[in-house]
Amino acid sequence: GAVVSQHPSRVICKSGTSVKIECRSLDFQATTMFWYRQFPKQSLMLMATSNEGSKATYEQGVEKDKFLINHASLTLSTLTVTSAHPEDSSFYICSASRTAANEKLFFGSGTQLSVL
Amino acid sequence: GQQLNQSPQSMFIQEGEDVSMNCTSSSIFNTWLWYKQDPGEGPVLLIALYKAGELTSNGRLTAQFGITRKDSFLNISASIPSDVGIYFCAGLGSNYKLTFGKGTLLTVNP
Repeated sequence: GAVVSQHPSRVICKSGTSVKIECRSLDFQATTMFWYRQFPKQSLMLMATSNEGSKATYEQGVEKDKFLINHASLTLSTLTVTSAHPEDSSFYICSASRTAANEKLFFGSGTQLSVL
Repeated sequence: GQQLNQSPQSMFIQEGEDVSMNCTSSSIFNTWLWYKQDPGEGPVLLIALYKAGELTSNGRLTAQFGITRKDSFLNISASIPSDVGIYFCAGLGSNYKLTFGKGTLLTVNP
């Protein structure tokens, strides 16, 4: 199956710093990537849709200035958590689709962010 | 956002038993997907269903896309310890976004 690589897998940072998470589609081009957030023992919550060459679309309640998304190429999307605070600690997961209809999404392995 | 109703929330079974879990929605979906997530990992796609009524198998896993397009089930036969994990259903709507169920935590006792 398609491979989506997410890096880093785990990051610990101080409050107030910014953290960048990368999501790469390794064997296919993805015009659309998605970023999710998952709290312990809960489901995945869609944060934003990352579109190559255009601005990301954010879900209601997600601060776009807090979670900066850049989709600079067909194989790379980045999520930057700016001025991180302890409440931003969570598991962040990206996904990428081979097709425009997104009927088969493949997920990265996730990034566990811990903000001290 | 919208969520699917996934049940059961958790299951404790003995190795070798069969398992069934399902998802229902008030909305129609064009595609149903079933994922498995291990702790600290991203979800891994198990089965994708594209047509109402479709029944698809992947090894010991079988899933069906409900005829009303508002539900789906996943069956696991002859469970083994490595089946342990959280199983999520997900529906793909006309907005091309996935809506996830809340997950079913499966524990298999050897």
